[in-house]
Amino acid sequence: QVQLVQSGAEVKRPGASVKISCKASGYSFSSYFLHWVRQAPGQGLEWLGVINPGGGATNYAQKFQGRVAMTRDTATRTVYMELTSLRSDDTAVYYCAREAKSCTDTRCYPTHYMDVWGIGTTVTVSS
Amino acid sequence: SYELTQPPSVSVSPGQTASITCSGDKLGNKYACWYQQKPGQSPVLVIYQDNNRPSGIPERFSGSNSGNTATLTIRGTQAVDEADYYCQAWDSSTVVFGGGTKLTVL
Repeated sequence: QVQLVQSGAEVKRPGASVKISCKASGYSFSSYFLHWVRQAPGQGLEWLGVINPGGGATNYAQKFQGRVAMTRDTATRTVYMELTSLRSDDTAVYYCAREAKSCTDTRCYPTHYMDVWGIGTTVTVSS
Repeated sequence: SYELTQPPSVSVSPGQTASITCSGDKLGNKYACWYQQKPGQSPVLVIYQDNNRPSGIPERFSGSNSGNTATLTIRGTQAVDEADYYCQAWDSSTVVFGGGTKLTVL
């Protein structure tokens, strides 16, 4: 079955960086965009950006430009999200989520909604 | 930047109909989707492209989107539907989430 398995919880000091992984299985890794979404304690969902595992192209939320980097390793079917210059308000659960595709007989189109989510990785930033 | 606005909370009695709204400028010209999130769990897609249900989502969940408002409707609400609900749209190459609505079934 389709699965996104994320790396374990992290505790970081302010100013440090964190790199979280998301390993995909059960589908064609290169064919589906993967998004990163976070949720601070007691708060709503916040989008960080998206990566195309096929070619590696990325699109980041303006708020995180310069501080976030999304990469992929096609050999291990894994995407990574690195967030730098961590602050206490970066404390959150970070989710990877697959973007669904809509396909006709001849081609597929992006849908911009997420049909499969990982279980989340808790990142705690504290001195 | 584009914004989606949801009421913070909605209450409904068991068996009744719950409606959760999501407002945004000309939202009806975009596709809206909805996620359900229960405490300690990942979000689950319940409605996509305004009014479509993924497989496994009960028929009591439906959606609509027109003008500036998308609406998630749950008919015959059950206790198991108590959760946070988030709307989401795509604007200017950006994913936008609403602030979320806590649905209480009492």
